[in-house]
Amino acid sequence: AQTVTQSQPEMSVQEAETVTLSCTYDTSENNYYLFWYKQPPSRQMILVIRQEAYKQQNATENRFSVNFQKAAKSFSLKISDSQLGDTAMYFCAFMKPGAGSYQLTFGKGTKLSVIP
Amino acid sequence: NAGVTQTPKFRVLKTGQSMTLLCAQDMNHEYMYWYRQDPGMGLRLIHYSVGEGTTAKGEVPDGYNVSRLKKQNFLLGLESAAPSQTSVYFCASSLPPASYSNQPQHFGDGTRLSIL
Repeated sequence: AQTVTQSQPEMSVQEAETVTLSCTYDTSENNYYLFWYKQPPSRQMILVIRQEAYKQQNATENRFSVNFQKAAKSFSLKISDSQLGDTAMYFCAFMKPGAGSYQLTFGKGTKLSVIP
Repeated sequence: NAGVTQTPKFRVLKTGQSMTLLCAQDMNHEYMYWYRQDPGMGLRLIHYSVGEGTTAKGEVPDGYNVSRLKKQNFLLGLESAAPSQTSVYFCASSLPPASYSNQPQHFGDGTRLSIL
């Protein structure tokens, strides 16, 4: 079974600064997907960024980027120019494609607070 | 386009009562999922379905039953509610990974359930 570990239960960052959230995972698979989800106080689950394990290039979406280290099984999220609207819970998630449900395995989350 | 709709949004039950949570999606997705979210635990898969008439157990299935009589609906039932089932419940739906462009799963807005 896959496991996803987020070692930082809470973090804070000053507005306009950069913050990095950590995620490690454990799997014996070679082909898989990794995701970061954002959950604001509204409770919505919002996809922030995705990474396919077969791609060496790190994914980037505007102010959000990842550092994917496949050998180290590490998938960190960097948020640049932090904004007040970035305040939320952030979940790292793993998916193994193939026969079956394509279910997501989530980490326990990191609560990020952006300070004005 | 409503996406994934969960009914109800909030509910309070007494121990031993039964209830059904309804999830409806209008995206013609084959796959549907029920998760529960507890503080400090992230999202954990309860049950899932890979098509109409099929269901399977996830990580934490005990105390829950599900049915997928129609492709667009996925019902989660609590036969005899217990305080340990106090949680926020999320439904999600998806296409197979080879078919989706960016979103691995589309989430509903959650149901907050309290068992007294």
